[in-house]
Amino acid sequence: DSGVTQTPKHLITATGQRVTLRCSPRSGDLSVYWYQQSLDQGLQFLIQYYNGEERAKGNILERFSAQQFPDLHSELNLSSLELGDSALYFCASSPGGRALGYTFGSGTRLTVV
Amino acid sequence: GENVEQHPSTLSVQEGDSAVIKCTYSDSASNYFPWYKQELGKRPQLIIDIRSNVGEKKDQRIAVTLNKTAKHFSLHITETQPEDSAVYFCAALGSGGSNYKLTFGKGTLLTVNP
Repeated sequence: DSGVTQTPKHLITATGQRVTLRCSPRSGDLSVYWYQQSLDQGLQFLIQYYNGEERAKGNILERFSAQQFPDLHSELNLSSLELGDSALYFCASSPGGRALGYTFGSGTRLTVV
Repeated sequence: GENVEQHPSTLSVQEGDSAVIKCTYSDSASNYFPWYKQELGKRPQLIIDIRSNVGEKKDQRIAVTLNKTAKHFSLHITETQPEDSAVYFCAALGSGGSNYKLTFGKGTLLTVNP
């Protein structure tokens, strides 16, 4: 157990729907990073939050959004889902604002049908 | 922003042989280079990392080398074992505005044949 908790582990939904993925960072970690992993694109950075505020943004679609709550857990919201959104979504956390000591959660496998 | 290229995409070796995976990065100010191992269906796990003020780091059968001038770094696994079979990702921590996240290579699928 890495200490980073992601729920749910698996999610199957239809095109056009909206889902929410949840991540709880390791105790004491202030930063949360979201990554999308598909077969042909590797680990693609989506967004980072540090202590409740957005710190960095990657190739995140406008249909996707995220937030980090006062208890430091984070949610990634994916809307108007398309078949191409099917992927593994990983959350990682680190103690500070820089990406040192990155620890990944076990991921959420999203399947859009 | 930072760009990381990783080669080869697949690598097959016999048990006991060595394996080498190479990465290049674009941002000369990058200063932290971790390597992650991902087994099938599992999360990426940090196996070794190196900072830019060090040229080489070893941990048992695993070593990483860094050439800042050429902007490349490599993972070396000696005496490979079947349990080393996995996807390996290199990453680089950029500078300035991209200093907050790791940029990953596309991964190398290593297969160690018994």
